[in-house]
Amino acid sequence: GDSVTQMEGPVTLSEEAFLTINCTYTATGYPSLFWYVQYPGEGLQLLLKATKADDKGSNKGFEATYRKETTSFHLEKGSVQVSDSAVYFCALRGRGGSQGNLIFGKGTKLSVKP
Amino acid sequence: DVKVTQSSRYLVKRTGEKVFLECVQDMDHENMFWYRQDPGLGLRLIYFSYDVKMKEKGDIPEGYSVSREKKERFSLILESASTNQTSMYLCASITEGSGNTIYFGEGSWLTVV
Repeated sequence: GDSVTQMEGPVTLSEEAFLTINCTYTATGYPSLFWYVQYPGEGLQLLLKATKADDKGSNKGFEATYRKETTSFHLEKGSVQVSDSAVYFCALRGRGGSQGNLIFGKGTKLSVKP
Repeated sequence: DVKVTQSSRYLVKRTGEKVFLECVQDMDHENMFWYRQDPGLGLRLIYFSYDVKMKEKGDIPEGYSVSREKKERFSLILESASTNQTSMYLCASITEGSGNTIYFGEGSWLTVV
């Protein structure tokens, strides 16, 4: 079945460091791919998404490119801030079928130190 | 903006109590979901519903039931709460279309003592 694998955390970075959180997926067909962010004590918010191969999603300085050849959707940010400290979830949604075909990775906790 | 509202943010219940977690969305979404989130386990799907009065089991339905009498409301029920159901519960909704965004509520922290 469909699955999402993302790098385990926690990831600890200094402010202004470069961030990469790896995400790879297994799916039949052409899923849509998402990154969600969860700040402490809150629910999940959409960070960015891409719905087809080679699409780049971007938001708040974060970017991820839908790479079908490597089945990846890695999250990157050039210069992280303390306010980026959160848990990040990679997710996919398949096309058709029930359950919405929503699959989440286990989440990666990011801590950014001043 | 889509709003998914979970009525209770923090609850403390006793073992054996019946617990209701309510979720309401205001965007006429067909699909609604209940997840639980635990450290190291990510989000696990308990139940989902793709229409009024329709429900499907997710990955961990044991010990839970759901109710969807109206399109905007999806309730999670713990018939007899147990300590291993202490967790963060997240409700979500989405409309049809694979590229559409799933929207989450702020979560309900349930502690069973």
